[in-house]
Amino acid sequence: GENVEQHPSTLSVQEGDSAVIKCTYSDSASNYFPWYKQELGKGPQLIIDIRSNVGEKKDQRIAVTLNKTAKHFSLHITETQPEDSAVYFCAASRPTSGSRLTFGEGTQLTVNP
Amino acid sequence: DAGVIQSPRHEVTEMGQEVTLRCKPISGHNSLFWYRQTMMRGLELLIYFNNNVPIDDSGMPEDRFSAKMPNASFSTLKIQPSEPRDSAVYFCASSLRLAISHNEQFFGPGTRLTVL
Repeated sequence: GENVEQHPSTLSVQEGDSAVIKCTYSDSASNYFPWYKQELGKGPQLIIDIRSNVGEKKDQRIAVTLNKTAKHFSLHITETQPEDSAVYFCAASRPTSGSRLTFGEGTQLTVNP
Repeated sequence: DAGVIQSPRHEVTEMGQEVTLRCKPISGHNSLFWYRQTMMRGLELLIYFNNNVPIDDSGMPEDRFSAKMPNASFSTLKIQPSEPRDSAVYFCASSLRLAISHNEQFFGPGTRLTVL
């Protein structure tokens, strides 16, 4: 089955700096890669996703890149703010999985004011 | 819409007791997922339903766990008997599945289960 690895497990940055979280996946058939943000005491919430037919997607301060050949994808957050502090999860899904997601281990991002 | 609703939000029980977690998906969504989150194992998919039918329960840890979806607006996850190692946060999520496309999963607030 699919295996998703995520790095780093913790990341601390200064407000205004950029943050990058990286994930690798094992199943070359995977074609959907969402990123979820989980704030303390809440369920994960989708912040951005990318499908395998594009290499990059951007939404304001958040961007995701995908390298299908290397089977890795990354989340980039620019101009970080304290409210960006949360746990971020990457995930992968293949077309025939019925929307089943395999999640990475999560990254605790702390933005220091 | 109120989003995915889960109850109870917190549950403390003693080993050997039966525990029932409840979920109301977003109205109109046809897929429902149950996840377990722990520090050691992260987010694990336990089971998911499509149109009230269980599609994949390979993540259910053992026979002590069972899940049902009697109708489109309600699902339960039952643990009987419960054990301390079942302590975790259990999330329910729902999505609108169209053909084989991928759609956003909306998570509920979770149920924090503690088994003493």
